[in-house]
Order: sequence, then structure tokens, then C-alpha cells
Amino acid sequence: GQQLNQSPQSMFIQEGEDVSMNCTSSSIFNTWLWYKQDPGEGPVLLIALYKAGELTSNGRLTAQFGITRKDSFLNISASIPSDVGIYFCAGQLRQGNLIFGKGTKLSVKP
Amino acid sequence: KAGVTQTPRYLIKTRGQQVTLSCSPISGHRSVSWYQQTPGQGLQFLFEYFSETQRNKGNFPGRFSGRQFSNSRSEMNVSTLELGDSALYLCASSFTRGKGMNTEAFFGQGTRLTVV
Repeated sequence: GQQLNQSPQSMFIQEGEDVSMNCTSSSIFNTWLWYKQDPGEGPVLLIALYKAGELTSNGRLTAQFGITRKDSFLNISASIPSDVGIYFCAGQLRQGNLIFGKGTKLSVKP
Repeated sequence: KAGVTQTPRYLIKTRGQQVTLSCSPISGHRSVSWYQQTPGQGLQFLFEYFSETQRNKGNFPGRFSGRQFSNSRSEMNVSTLELGDSALYLCASSFTRGKGMNTEAFFGQGTRLTVV
């Protein structure tokens, strides 16, 4: 079945740093979505991408839908402490179900 | 506009029992999907309902079933519970455009099911 490879698995951030993460797939998706999940909560939608090549921003977050429709990346600029959490990419098939990456866990540098 | 509401938030059940989880989608959304989240397998798609019909199904055993009512509210049932069914069960609702294409999915807070 379809799989999404999300990287990195985890990373440490220092306040003010920029952060990048990406997802790749062997399958083509019609939509890419990025979510953030805090412990014990459901995923919260950050950005939705609908067209190949599309670049969309939401505050300090920027995401792009890859030209091949098989990849997407998410950038967070000037990170702040509340950015910690787990970020998931998801590819949406026509029928409506989402295929999720394994997540990127953002933690604060000790 | 109210978000996706899942009840209950927490549940403890014994092996062999059955359980029913409930999800109320965002008003106007007719598509409801269910996902299972575990540390080992991550987020996995269970099934999707649209207009009271199961439109899509993931790779889970028949013990996992669901239904959708005319007001788009959905329930998920797991029969003969196993220890491995312990997970966070998430419901997501979407607005469906023409040709059956869903817009972005919005998730509820989930139901944490523990099987002992």
C-alpha cells in the first residue's frame, strides 16, 4: 500500500531557528496536508495544499506541494517554544482517506 | 462554528467486550473518517462514511465497524476487544466537493481506549 516517508523523525530546536521537514511518497496525491499534534489531543490542521507547485504560508509556516505530486515540505521560520510537538504530513487520495507520515517530533534543545 | 466532537474522551474496557465510540462532525460536513493511532503503527485509516454509506475502508479486521446517521453523526464499534486495540481513535470530518473530492480533514480530540 501507499507509504509516506517523513523526515527527520525528530529534531531539536532553539528559539529563533528555522526548521524544515519533508515527506516523500512513491504514489501521487491530489492533496497534501500538514498537521500538528500535541500530547493527548487530535491533529490540528496547519496548511492544506491542492495544486502541484503550490506554495502556501500560514504565519511563520510555509509549505509546498511538490511538482511531481509525490512530495511536500514544511518550513517553520523563527521558531518559538510553543512550536514543540509532533508534525505530520498526510496525502489525500480522491476517495477521501488520508495516508500519514510517521511524524517529526520537535523538541527544545537542552 | 463548533469543531468535531468525539465522545467519550477516555474509555477502559476488558478483553472480549465491545465498545462504541461517537463522532459529531462539523456542521455541513457529510464525510466522516475514522483513524487509529498507536505509537508503533502511527495513524492508520479505518473507514470513511459519506451520506450514511461506507465509501472507503482500510485494512482492519471485521471486528471494526461503523455507521453514519442521517445527520452525519457517526459511530464506530469494535467487538471482541483485544489488548492490541488500545489506541487513540480519531474522527475527522470533511466537506465534499463535486466528483467526491474531499476538502481538508478536521480532527476531533480523539477517544483514548485502553483494553485491559
